[in-house]
Amino acid sequence: DAGVTQSPTHLIKTRGQQVTLRCSPKSGHDTVSWYQQALGQGPQFIFQYYEEEERQRGNFPDRFSGHQFPNYSSELNVNALLLGDSALYLCASSSPVDRAKNIQYFGAGTRLSVL
Amino acid sequence: KNQVEQSPQSLIILEGKNCTLQCNYTVSPFSNLRWYKQDTGRGPVSLTIMTFSENTKSNGRYTATLDADTKQSSLHITASQLSDSASYICVVSFTGGGNKLTFGTGTQLKVEL
Repeated sequence: DAGVTQSPTHLIKTRGQQVTLRCSPKSGHDTVSWYQQALGQGPQFIFQYYEEEERQRGNFPDRFSGHQFPNYSSELNVNALLLGDSALYLCASSSPVDRAKNIQYFGAGTRLSVL
Repeated sequence: KNQVEQSPQSLIILEGKNCTLQCNYTVSPFSNLRWYKQDTGRGPVSLTIMTFSENTKSNGRYTATLDADTKQSSLHITASQLSDSASYICVVSFTGGGNKLTFGTGTQLKVEL
């Protein structure tokens, strides 16, 4: 049983470009949350999706957008990249039971470097 | 504002020694608290999770304690191993917060020979 998988593992972009990160949740999980983790900091909540809709959002600008597909996988899109967007982007998934208990399982993350 | 603070920021110990990491939170109303271990460049892995009514939880050499009255938690690591070198993050969720978690900035632990 595969855990939460994210792709790509590493990515290098330049300022102003756009990027798409992908996440496949664990089998049986229908909820996906995205986090941004700057170096030396704890993860910051970006947004959460289930039933193909954004359900909650953290304090991130509209440049950050997402999508959830019918198979529960999700994408995180960031437009007009800034140097400050360089971070480890984490995806976490939950089952309906987990969601009620606030339990999330994390992927290994995508390391984004903006030059 | 809900906050989670951890101490120390970093810690170096010798292999085989014990250590205790601290977490103070102001999250209210509290739902549960968990400790994660995060290896460099990897996603966090859950070690323990405690609800309001629990005051201790063990997972092998890891023992977490919770004092909901003082809003403090600790993670005790016994007989440390080189593989324990990682960042340990305290994460708190609050009732009514949906599935949002409030993360501490972590304690960076290094275990040396």
